[in-house]
Amino acid sequence: SQTIHQWPATLVQPVGSPLSLECTVEGTSNPNLYWYRQAAGRGLQLLFYSVGIGQISSEVPQNLSASRPQDRQFILSSKKLLLSDSGFYLCAWSDRFWNSPLHFGNGTRLTVT
Amino acid sequence: RKEVEQDPGPFNVPEGATVAFNCTYSNSASQSFFWYRQDCRKEPKLLMSVYSSGNEDGRFTAQLNRASQYISLLIRDSKLSDSATYLCVVNMGYGGATNKLIFGTGTLLAVQP
Repeated sequence: SQTIHQWPATLVQPVGSPLSLECTVEGTSNPNLYWYRQAAGRGLQLLFYSVGIGQISSEVPQNLSASRPQDRQFILSSKKLLLSDSGFYLCAWSDRFWNSPLHFGNGTRLTVT
Repeated sequence: RKEVEQDPGPFNVPEGATVAFNCTYSNSASQSFFWYRQDCRKEPKLLMSVYSSGNEDGRFTAQLNRASQYISLLIRDSKLSDSATYLCVVNMGYGGATNKLIFGTGTLLAVQP
């Protein structure tokens, strides 16, 4: 069966520090991969999605970037965190079929201080 | 107009009640639709996909109205454990490998004893 791992679960970082969140998927090949962010009391915002290695689509101009160095690895990064980057970050995968649902990791709760 | 819109609620209902949520979407070409459930401070989990003919899973019924561009979720015989935020999800991509899944802001349901 497919599993998705996301870490760390909780992170507290000072403003201006770098960020690296990692997500890996097991049990499937060529998945679509996604990063979402949920600010406190808000809905899920799609940040990036990827349909293959090195292929990244950015949805919202922001202080973040994403990379997909391997088929089942998706990384979210920032060179310098802002206070507004605080939130609940969720990695997800889906099959490539048009009606495939998303399957989420447990999420990373990031607090920028 | 937002791509996916939901009434944020909260919906406060007694145990045993029937409750319905609606969700509207902007892209008439959207092909796939889902309902997710999110518990407080947890990742969203797939509740059910929404098919053109409508579909039912136990106490839950999902319907799609393409002409009016909305989907609905009906919960019968509400349980305390149904208390959560219900998220509407619409695929705004072009099908095939390009799944671009957009979430509504969610509707909060509180089932009262």
